[in-house]
Amino acid sequence: EAQVTQNPRYLITVTGKKLTVTCSQNMNHEYMSWYRQDPGLGLRQIYYSMNVEVTDKGDVPEGYKVSRKEKRNFPLILESPSPNQTSLYFCASALTGVGNEQFFGPGTRLTVL
Amino acid sequence: DQQVKQNSPSLSVQEGRISILNCDYTNSMFDYFLWYKKYPAEGPTFLISISSIKDKNEDGRFTVFLNKSAKHLSLHIVPSQPGDSAVYFCAASAFRGSTLGRLYFGRGTQLTVWP
Repeated sequence: EAQVTQNPRYLITVTGKKLTVTCSQNMNHEYMSWYRQDPGLGLRQIYYSMNVEVTDKGDVPEGYKVSRKEKRNFPLILESPSPNQTSLYFCASALTGVGNEQFFGPGTRLTVL
Repeated sequence: DQQVKQNSPSLSVQEGRISILNCDYTNSMFDYFLWYKKYPAEGPTFLISISSIKDKNEDGRFTVFLNKSAKHLSLHIVPSQPGDSAVYFCAASAFRGSTLGRLYFGRGTQLTVWP
């Protein structure tokens, strides 16, 4: 089944404790991206990757890191999480970064205490 | 500064009637527009898209209209069904320029279809 998977689905952590949210797609898509959804703010793009080894900042990259060492995986790293990073995170992928629909994962709900 | 705006946070429609969801954008470089539907506890799912060379695109009960001069698009759902109750997000992107690869979302409209 074609899909985008994220792990973990739920995570509660404490301020400053490094964490990684994994994202994997099995559709051989070139493009991958991370978003966060907050009440009343819609979805905001954090980082995106047009292809392997190519990453760029979105609207809200502060406090996040990403890497794209292989096509299928695009992990989101929070080196020192803070409470304002409490949010619902979505990973997405698309055939390419131009003119294609993005397929979203099921989301990761992160709470930083 | 939001480049894609959905000014109605909610819309309530009776089953069988038409639902019209609206979206405005500010960036004239946007070439491609999408609508996503989102149920609680799930990721957004793609619904329909339109490129700037067209002014209408239909897919079953869903039609998207694009008015480039007004920088406005709308999603029509006819007839509306209770299963359409969800949050609908409008999104926009550009085929070229410094924002290539970026996807900008509106804040969403909660559609409720009642029997």
